[in-house]
Amino acid sequence: KQEVTQIPAALSVPEGENLVLNCSFTDSAIYNLQWFRQDPGKGLTSLLLIQSSQREQTSGRLNASLDKSSGRSTLYIAASQPGDSATYLCAVRPGAGNNRKLIWGLGTSLGVNP
Amino acid sequence: GAGVSQSPSNKVTEKGKDVELRCDPISGHTALYWYRQSLGQGLEFLIYFQGNSAPDKSGLPSDRFSAERTGGSVSTLTIQRTQQEDSAVYLCASSPGGAGTDIQYFGAGTRLSVL
Repeated sequence: KQEVTQIPAALSVPEGENLVLNCSFTDSAIYNLQWFRQDPGKGLTSLLLIQSSQREQTSGRLNASLDKSSGRSTLYIAASQPGDSATYLCAVRPGAGNNRKLIWGLGTSLGVNP
Repeated sequence: GAGVSQSPSNKVTEKGKDVELRCDPISGHTALYWYRQSLGQGLEFLIYFQGNSAPDKSGLPSDRFSAERTGGSVSTLTIQRTQQEDSAVYLCASSPGGAGTDIQYFGAGTRLSVL
């Protein structure tokens, strides 16, 4: 059974720091992995999607890497800003084919202090 | 509208009553998903629609839960005889549905409180 774990559960950093959020999964047979951001009362926003054949994806100050064989992904946030404060969720889509179910981690709650 | 719309945003009900939660996906998105997020727990997949059919209902926790989608658009999640453990935020997402288009766009959710 696929399980997704995110470390740390919470993180507080001063503005301007670079930081890394970690996600691990138990079954390496994934189709893709996504990182989401959740803001209170606003639902979830997809940040980056990495296909199983890819090693990383970048969007602005965000960079996500994927090491499928070791069951790990990291989300790197450069030059953090107070507006980055949110909960960051990692989700994997297992296997291939038509199974579009996502398995989710519990998230990392990030606070960036001015 | 431009995004996924869910209604109501908040619902308070008494134990034993039935509730209906509505999701309006992004226009043209053929795939629609329902998730549940309970306090202190991760998101839990409930059901996935492709068009009006549901290839995967494996996440529905009991036969009190059902969902339908009509016209390939609006979906309704119905919970019968609600229990206190049904209290959670129910999230809906949609995606274009074709191969390689996995990004899911989420609504703001419906917060359900069962007293």
